[in-house]
This record gives sequence, C-alpha cells and structure tokens, in this order.
Amino acid sequence: DTEVTQTPKHLVMGMTNKKSLKCEQHMGHRAMYWYKQKAKKPPELMFVYSYEKLSINESVPSRFSPECPNSSLLNLHLHALQPEDSALYLCASSQRTSGRAGGDEQFFGPGTRLTVL
Amino acid sequence: GNSVTQMEGPVTLSEEAFLTINCTYTATGYPSLFWYVQYPGEGLQLLLKATKADDKGSNKGFEATYRKETTSFHLEKGSVQVSDSAVYFCALSAPYNQGGKLIFGQGTELSVKP
Repeated sequence: DTEVTQTPKHLVMGMTNKKSLKCEQHMGHRAMYWYKQKAKKPPELMFVYSYEKLSINESVPSRFSPECPNSSLLNLHLHALQPEDSALYLCASSQRTSGRAGGDEQFFGPGTRLTVL
Repeated sequence: GNSVTQMEGPVTLSEEAFLTINCTYTATGYPSLFWYVQYPGEGLQLLLKATKADDKGSNKGFEATYRKETTSFHLEKGSVQVSDSAVYFCALSAPYNQGGKLIFGQGTELSVKP
C-alpha cells in the first residue's frame, strides 16, 4: 500500500464549529506532516510529527491542534476557524531515514478542501 | 538558508512541444531534490527525484539532472501532451538534522493546447 488517505474530501464549517481532519498511511513511515495550500501556491508546512512526537510547529495558531494517535494516523482538530483558513489541507508522510545527506521524499494525500463560512 | 527558485508561469505550449521548467536552489550541505506535479483538484504527486550530484531522475518522459556546480534541477520533457497540464513544483529536502523539511519553489502552471 503506497497511499496516503485523507478524510473528508470536502468540509464546510462555520466559525464556531469544531471538526477534525484525518490522515492515514500504511507504508511504515515514521514522519507525518500537515500542510496548508492556497490555490496555485506551494504548500505551507504547518506541523511535523516524527516517531509520533511533534517535532515542528511552524507558529500555527492554536485554533489548529494536531494529534498523532499512532504511527499510521494523523489528525488535525479545528476550532473557531476564520474564513481566511479556507484552503486545501494536505497530509504527507515519509521514511525517517537517518544518516542520509538529504531528506526523504514525501508522499501526499489527496487533501481536504476546507471552506470556513 | 535553504530556498528554491523556479521559473514563473503560466507556461502555454502546443502538444508535442519541448518543455523546460527551470529550477535553481540554495542549500547548505547536500539536499535531495524533487519535482512534484499537482493536477487540478488533486494532491501533490512525486514526479521524480535525485539524491546526489549528477543523478538523473526520470518518470513518464520527464527528466531532471542534479547539477551541483550550477545548483540547478531543470525539468525537461521532449514532447508534452494535453494530459501534462498541471502545476509543477520543484522542491528540496534538507537532512533531518536540519529539520527535514520540504522547501518548495513557487510552482509553474503548465497548459498544453491540442
């Protein structure tokens, strides 16, 4: 299995709602990532989990809360979002190969298209 | 710091034309280099990669060579098809002791006309 899956595919929520995005991979990867992407722009890194521990938080507002329940799953909990948070949210995973001169390729899921009203 | 610069789009070509999308990078050490493609309404797909100098990555007729002397990783295809219409991102990945993050270029939108 070489896929990263994400649910839901589309999500519409109001500014007072609480929702969660889910991501799953079964490639045995030990690093998982959340990105935010606006139309025709590159993805912006939000969070990195390495061996199920949060290793990077790119100064993301606290209304986004990541969670890594186990090595295959990654969640992003959303609360009190703003309309400007509307975007495509991408999950990715990679091997965590130590000792290499360069980093590993990341495998991306299809994304969740989020609209905040 | 690490950065990637790629040619701005949009790029419009006729079917069977030759494609080049320029990509240059700045990095400490020896990053891995990637081209990702994003078709409309989809996530990013890894198109090809190179992990050391002079490596050539290739896939689906696309090629790119890791040139350390010119810090470049230009994407080429000899004959594009309408189905190649997408946004292409050049990226580098630093080793994990530098954070292991993917650093993307701004993306180049390619439109291929029949």
